[in-house]
Parts: sequence; C-alpha cells; structure tokens
Amino acid sequence: QVQLQESGPGLVRPSQTLSLTCTVSGGSINSDGYYWSWIRHVPGKGLEWLGYIYYTGRTYYSPSLKSRLFISLDTSKNQFSLKLTSVTAADTAFYYCARDQDGHYRYWGQGTLVTVSS
Amino acid sequence: QSVLTQPPSVSAAPGQRVTISCSGSSSNIGNYDVSWYRHLPGTAPKLLIYDNNRRPSGIPDRFSGSKSGTSATLEITGLQTGDEADYYCESWDNSLSAAMFGGGTKLTVL
Repeated sequence: QVQLQESGPGLVRPSQTLSLTCTVSGGSINSDGYYWSWIRHVPGKGLEWLGYIYYTGRTYYSPSLKSRLFISLDTSKNQFSLKLTSVTAADTAFYYCARDQDGHYRYWGQGTLVTVSS
Repeated sequence: QSVLTQPPSVSAAPGQRVTISCSGSSSNIGNYDVSWYRHLPGTAPKLLIYDNNRRPSGIPDRFSGSKSGTSATLEITGLQTGDEADYYCESWDNSLSAAMFGGGTKLTVL
C-alpha cells in the first residue's frame, strides 16, 4: 500500500520561501507512469492543483504559480519537494502531496497546514 | 474562477438521490477523463470516481459518474448524513497544461 507523508514548517514569514517534502513509502518514486503532485486547499476555498513532477524530472506547474513554484525529486530518499517563493497570507493553506496515475489521485498524504504570518 | 464549473451547493433528504454537475470545455472534459473527490476540510480528499465512471475498490455503488460532451455528473443515491462533504470534479486542461479542479460543491443532507 502506497503511503505519502508531508513534512515541513507550519509557519512561514511573509516574503519568505515555503518548503515542504513528501516522503513516499510502499512504492518507488522512480517508477514509470506516476506523477508526483502537490495540491492545496485554502480554507473557505476550493482545491487547487499546484504542479507535479515525473520520475524523469519533467515538471508541470499551475500557470498562476509558475513564477514562484519549484518541484524537485530526491530518488535516493524516495521523496519529492515543493518550494514556493515570496509567500503571502494568500498562500496559507493545507498542502497535500498525492500520486497522479492516469489523471486521477488515488493516494494522498494526510496534509499539512502552512500558515504565512509574521 | 475555475474552468470547471460546479454548483456551489446541493441538498437533499436522507435516502434521496442527488446529482452534482461539472461543466467544462473541449480543452478539458471534452477530451480528457474526469475524476471526482470527496473532501472534508483538514483531511485528505478521497477518490470516488475515476475515468469518468469507474469506482475504486471500497467505494459503494451508491456513487456513480457519467460524462457527456463537455460535462460530467456525479450521482449519489441513498443519501446518508455521513455523505455531507465538499465534492470536486477534476480533469486535465490542455490549453493551460494543468490539472484543474472544479470550484467544489457542498452537499447538505437535510
């Protein structure tokens, strides 16, 4: 059974960089056919797809975040990571990592709340 | 404003049937599969339907999905109070080169 777990700071200062890591267990991140994704939920708003990375390192990013977002892989640790620069209060959200297989997300992390505040 | 349009809310009585629509375009639903998720804020979303109408193991047949043209529909029958949640459709959009979620629909079981 594949499991994903987010980790990272729960509080980030405005204008700083938000960094999160997703650790994958029960399966290799270095596998064909899976896209390792980040999705967030701003309380009171809807789910928002942020982007994903393929095991080859190819990335796709949300057009609205493309200038601030960077997703990377660490195959030696079976992890992938998100960095979101120049954060504001609007980036306060629950952040989820998930595995995209054929365009759907069957496996999700439990989510982690990141608050942007001084 | 999402490119996938869902009604903000729907409601029905226990035991009844409800449908949630998801309207898109040829850039997304018209050419890509749709999946549906149930979400309780603060918890991980749960996959209900994928490939327009397929259910993962463990999802009861009270949940069904369909797609026609540039729209998709989630149907829930035999409503239970435990079905109260936010429901989202999702599809790939090739004009944006991005996955898109609908705006979400809050289901209330009266």
